[in-house]
Amino acid sequence: NAGVTQTPKFQVLKTGQSMTLQCAQDMNHNSMYWYRQDPGMGLRLIYYSASEGTTDKGEVPNGYNVSRLNKREFSLRLESAAPSQTSVYFCASSEEGGGLPNIQYFGAGTRLSVL
Amino acid sequence: GENVEQHPSTLSVQEGDSAVIKCTYSDSASNYFPWYKQELGKGPQLIIDIRSNVGEKKDQRIAVTLNKTAKHFSLHITETQPEDSAVYFCAASIEEYGNKLVFGAGTILRVKS
Repeated sequence: NAGVTQTPKFQVLKTGQSMTLQCAQDMNHNSMYWYRQDPGMGLRLIYYSASEGTTDKGEVPNGYNVSRLNKREFSLRLESAAPSQTSVYFCASSEEGGGLPNIQYFGAGTRLSVL
Repeated sequence: GENVEQHPSTLSVQEGDSAVIKCTYSDSASNYFPWYKQELGKGPQLIIDIRSNVGEKKDQRIAVTLNKTAKHFSLHITETQPEDSAVYFCAASIEEYGNKLVFGAGTILRVKS
């Protein structure tokens, strides 16, 4: 049972380069999320998708775009990477229902450095 | 915006002692409060959660208490073991963000054997 799978695990970019972080879940969950984790700041929500075909901004969406490709996959794109985007990125999924929050399952993370 | 504050930022306890981590939240409409454990190099994993209609929940050595009037909730770990060493995050659902979670900054727990 793979759960939530993120690729790549590590990435180094130069300022201005672009890249896409991939996330897939095999739990048939409707909702998926992208967070970034910085020292002393916990996890902050970048974007989320309540269902296939919908996406919404979280706390810190600037500099990012997302695509909910299908029910399984939710990708995060950095169009022009900046050093401030150096962070650990986590994807999560959950089975939401009736507007009530539910358990989120996290991937292992992508460690991104922007030089 | 709404936020969640977590204390302490680091906590060292002797094996067998209890550990308590506290969080406060600002959104009176918050109704879901999970706790996550993160081991080095891994993603966070849920260890216990509580909803606003319950004041306390226990699962073996782990318990969570919720005081909605004071807007704070706490994680209690009894009989700590070295494998409890990790970073612990609290979170609260925030109505401003469509009931999505806002996380505390985390607590590094070290259990000394």
